[in-house]
Amino acid sequence: DQQVKQNSPSLSVQEGRISILNCDYTNSMFDYFLWYKKYPAEGPTFLISISSIKDKNEDGRFTVFLNKSAKHLSLHIVPSQPGDSAVYFCAARMANFGNEKLTFGTGTRLTIIP
Amino acid sequence: DAGVIQSPRHEVTEMGQEVTLRCKPISGHDYLFWYRQTMMRGLELLIYFNNNVPIDDSGMPEDRFSAKMPNASFSTLKIQPSEPRDSAVYFCASSFGRGYNEQFFGPGTRLTVL
Repeated sequence: DQQVKQNSPSLSVQEGRISILNCDYTNSMFDYFLWYKKYPAEGPTFLISISSIKDKNEDGRFTVFLNKSAKHLSLHIVPSQPGDSAVYFCAARMANFGNEKLTFGTGTRLTIIP
Repeated sequence: DAGVIQSPRHEVTEMGQEVTLRCKPISGHDYLFWYRQTMMRGLELLIYFNNNVPIDDSGMPEDRFSAKMPNASFSTLKIQPSEPRDSAVYFCASSFGRGYNEQFFGPGTRLTVL
């Protein structure tokens, strides 16, 4: 049973426009959420995170929004650049329970069109 | 820092053979994680260690899979006997300390079982 879901396998966005990647989760015990970015033939790299005590976290062109009542988070990239083309994974943890386990979604492949 | 090192990068073997994947975590990190990536299930945690001790192996698919961490700088994931459905990319990751800490991933081992 997928506790973290990324329902869009792929997304194409024009360069300079906003990219919005979505993620839903089912386990209400998750209290920390992360986004990882993955290029081909490389391991995932950490991008941005958010704790459940916040509803927004911003880092440069990347902003993550958390809606706890809807069990939904999204990653916004503004403006989108060709180097942003990659697979993006959403992940969740029960950090306050001392659990280091990350539960990942299946990923969304983002393609930025020049 | 060299980052997380995995070997081999690619492994092709025949069904029934033993496969051993290797990982060297980042020096000083006390957590080590083994993940498997497939198209259908995304990134799945197989097992993780803290200070060389296995903490959660609930993701190990079956008895054919085993993992060891004999010291702080080395871990192995063994599949014996291997089956075609084990074909996937296997990632090792490491992190330091408990809590809201980033996991650093290696480049992965692409395993193909014929």
